[in-house]
Amino acid sequence: DQQVKQNSPSLSVQEGRISILNCDYTNSMFDYFLWYKKYPAEGPTFLISISSIKDKNEDGRFTVFLNKSAKHLSLHIVPSQPGDSAVYFCAASDLIQGAQKLVFGQGTRLTINP
Amino acid sequence: DTAVSQTPKYLVTQMGNDKSIKCEQNLGHDTMYWYKQDSKKFLKIMFSYNNKELIINETVPNRFSPKSPDKAHLNLHINSLELGDSAVYFCASSQDGAADTQYFGPGTRLTVL
Repeated sequence: DQQVKQNSPSLSVQEGRISILNCDYTNSMFDYFLWYKKYPAEGPTFLISISSIKDKNEDGRFTVFLNKSAKHLSLHIVPSQPGDSAVYFCAASDLIQGAQKLVFGQGTRLTINP
Repeated sequence: DTAVSQTPKYLVTQMGNDKSIKCEQNLGHDTMYWYKQDSKKFLKIMFSYNNKELIINETVPNRFSPKSPDKAHLNLHINSLELGDSAVYFCASSQDGAADTQYFGPGTRLTVL
């Protein structure tokens, strides 16, 4: 039972254009939503997050949008740069006794073409 | 000055063996985690410890036993290794709270032959 889904396994975008990565979830009890970026042979690194009570959070070139009624979130990267090429994981957080249980999507491989 | 470190980075072993993966964090965090990324690239939580106490224990075979000697360390011991245990295992840590970032280690690629 996949509670967090990223339906696009890969995405290719031209440098300078906007990259939009999508994520859907099924559990309306999640507290926070996060995006992680992962390069090969490295651990995931945190990119940006959004509380379930907000609908937008922006950090430089990265913006996350949350549509609670649709149980959908998206990550916008603009402008896209070659260094953004990586696998992006969407995650939803459920707090359990101080421990943050993250449920991850299966990832989207983003390739930025020069 | 690595924030979350894991050893070893690669581990190749035979079926039936027992092995351990070590994790250390120098961020002063209270909570540590183990994740498994399988061949289909799904990243799933296995365990979480908060101040050396087991908080999250997903449906993981009891051949897997986490041990937290102190707040900064969370080791993963696996008994009687099986082919299906082959995966990349990630350790992570965070402070308390839903909004706090989890910092991941570089991963340990376990291959069971």
